[in-house]
Amino acid sequence: GIQVEQSPPDLILQEGANSTLRCNFSDSVNNLQWFHQNPWGQLINLFYIPSGTKQNGRLSATTVATERYSLLYISSSQTTDSGVYFCAGGNTGRRALTFGSGTRLQVQP
Amino acid sequence: DTAVSQTPKYLVTQMGNDKSIKCEQNLGHDTMYWYKQDSKKFLKIMFSYNNKELIINETVPNRFSPKSPDKAHLNLHINSLELGDSAVYFCASSPPLGTHRETQYFGPGTRLLVL
Repeated sequence: GIQVEQSPPDLILQEGANSTLRCNFSDSVNNLQWFHQNPWGQLINLFYIPSGTKQNGRLSATTVATERYSLLYISSSQTTDSGVYFCAGGNTGRRALTFGSGTRLQVQP
Repeated sequence: DTAVSQTPKYLVTQMGNDKSIKCEQNLGHDTMYWYKQDSKKFLKIMFSYNNKELIINETVPNRFSPKSPDKAHLNLHINSLELGDSAVYFCASSPPLGTHRETQYFGPGTRLLVL
């Protein structure tokens, strides 16, 4: 099955800093999503991004499908950005997502 | 409006008991999922249903039995609970194929603790 590798595993930022999270896939996927799990455990979908670039406020994501990786950019980080960021991939036929092990982000005031 | 809801949110039970978790989505999606998140936060697919039909069963013990009475509901029954079943169980749903947007929406999770 698909293997998903995320880096870095842990990240500590000062409020206002920018960061880039990376996700590598062992095989091609046509369904790629980024999630944020907040400190209360809720999983929020950030992006559905099988290819290309998308932006949503201070967050943006870029997927280079041919090279099997995706990047999540967080700009001007805030304490509310803290939590675990997961990328997950799959293919249309199978529909279920394979998750990476996550990047645990802590934003300090 | 709650998009994907799960009940109960917390479940504490003894080893050997049988328990059920219920999931409902009001998004009009046709595919629903159960994922398990272990103590290290690793998320893994357990089951997937499309239009009430089981399409994925990921080497989950037979003690776990999903049931989908209709497209909006997916329940999970667990027999003879074991300590290792302690985890957070997430239900999710996604829209029909061909919508060109297979975003998965997750419920709040059910925290199961087996004593």
